[in-house]
Amino acid sequence: NAGVTQTPKFQVLKTGQSMTLQCAQDMNHEYMSWYRQDPGMGLRLIHYSVGAGITDQGEVPNGYNVSRSTTEDFPLRLLSAAPSQTSVYFCASSPGVGRGYGYTFGSGTRLTVV
Amino acid sequence: GQQLNQSPQSMFIQEGEDVSMNCTSSSIFNTWLWYKQDPGEGPVLLIALYKAGELTSNGRLTAQFGITRKDSFLNISASIPSDVGIYFCAGQLNTGNQFYFGTGTSLTVIP
Repeated sequence: NAGVTQTPKFQVLKTGQSMTLQCAQDMNHEYMSWYRQDPGMGLRLIHYSVGAGITDQGEVPNGYNVSRSTTEDFPLRLLSAAPSQTSVYFCASSPGVGRGYGYTFGSGTRLTVV
Repeated sequence: GQQLNQSPQSMFIQEGEDVSMNCTSSSIFNTWLWYKQDPGEGPVLLIALYKAGELTSNGRLTAQFGITRKDSFLNISASIPSDVGIYFCAGQLNTGNQFYFGTGTSLTVIP
């Protein structure tokens, strides 16, 4: 059972380039989300999805797009990379929404924008 | 977003010592979670708390849901080198689905 799989593990982008961070889970979880982790800031929610075809914004959505065409996949797109988007990105999933559901995290994507 | 303040920010302790850390918020939460993050990995769930005053253990780890519902505490007894990592609290409001994360406590255990 793979859990939550993120690719790539590392990426360097030039300012203005676009790319997609991949996230896939094989646990049939309804809820998926993207966080970014910056030193001293903890984990901040970028976007989330409560099911296929449904997405919504989190705390820091600017500069990112998401879509959820299947239950398994939740890609995060950077439209025009900026140095401020240098961070570690984590995808997380849970069986449902609401009380009682903790998250399972992927191992992260380390992104550097130069 | 919600501000969750974790303290201390970092700890350096001798192997075998007990550890205490806490997480406070200005908002009332209905669920508290504690996660541990090893270097280069994603956070892993340690303990979940669902009721004010609840005390839950997972091996040498014990966590408590504060009575005011605005705080939570994590204790680690008899620390060992593999306890090294960053510990995060996460809280869920009564409204909405999201969890808000604290800034983390970095733990170093000296053999």
